[in-house]
Amino acid sequence: AQTVTQSQPEMSVQEAETVTLSCTYDTSESDYYLFWYKQPPSRQMILVIRQEAYKQQNATENRFSVNFQKAAKSFSLKISDSQLGDAAMYFCAYLWSGNTPLVFGKGTRLSVIA
Amino acid sequence: ETGVTQSPTHLIKTRGQQVTLRCSSQSGHNTVSWYQQALGQGPQFIFQYYREEENGRGNFPPRFSGLQFPNYSSELNVNALELDDSALYLCASSLVQGAGKETQYFGPGTRLLVL
Repeated sequence: AQTVTQSQPEMSVQEAETVTLSCTYDTSESDYYLFWYKQPPSRQMILVIRQEAYKQQNATENRFSVNFQKAAKSFSLKISDSQLGDAAMYFCAYLWSGNTPLVFGKGTRLSVIA
Repeated sequence: ETGVTQSPTHLIKTRGQQVTLRCSSQSGHNTVSWYQQALGQGPQFIFQYYREEENGRGNFPPRFSGLQFPNYSSELNVNALELDDSALYLCASSLVQGAGKETQYFGPGTRLLVL
């Protein structure tokens, strides 16, 4: 079974600095998607970024980028120029196909210090 | 905003009661997945509905059941509520076509408290 591991329960970053959140996963599949979702105190799970495993290029979305290492089964999220609004729980998630469930890690709580 | 809505936002029930949670999927989506998120944990998959049929189920007992309607909205029903059912219930909608891997978009969740 696929598993997702986030080894950092909590992280903190100074405003305007850069922070990297770690995620590793286990799968025997070669074609899959990986996601980072953000969940602020409002509870809504918001998609931050998506990576398709067959693409070698790392995904980027404005201040958010990933370091996808397929062989190492590693998928880290880098947040540049951190803002107070980035404070939230961040979940790494794996998807094998459209009709299978997302598998989530336990999350990393990110605090941003003004 | 994802276009996925859930009702109610909060709910308090007592042990042994039954509850129905509702989800309206994003326009154009045909698949709804339900997740349970206990406090401090990541979401756990309950089941998925694709074109009104259950299309996969997680490790949840039969007292967790669901429906998907022709407009692709969905309900999650939980019978004989237990204290451990207290959690945030999230629904996510997606457009599944063939073997594609489509992003799931989440609603704001329903917070259920069982006393």
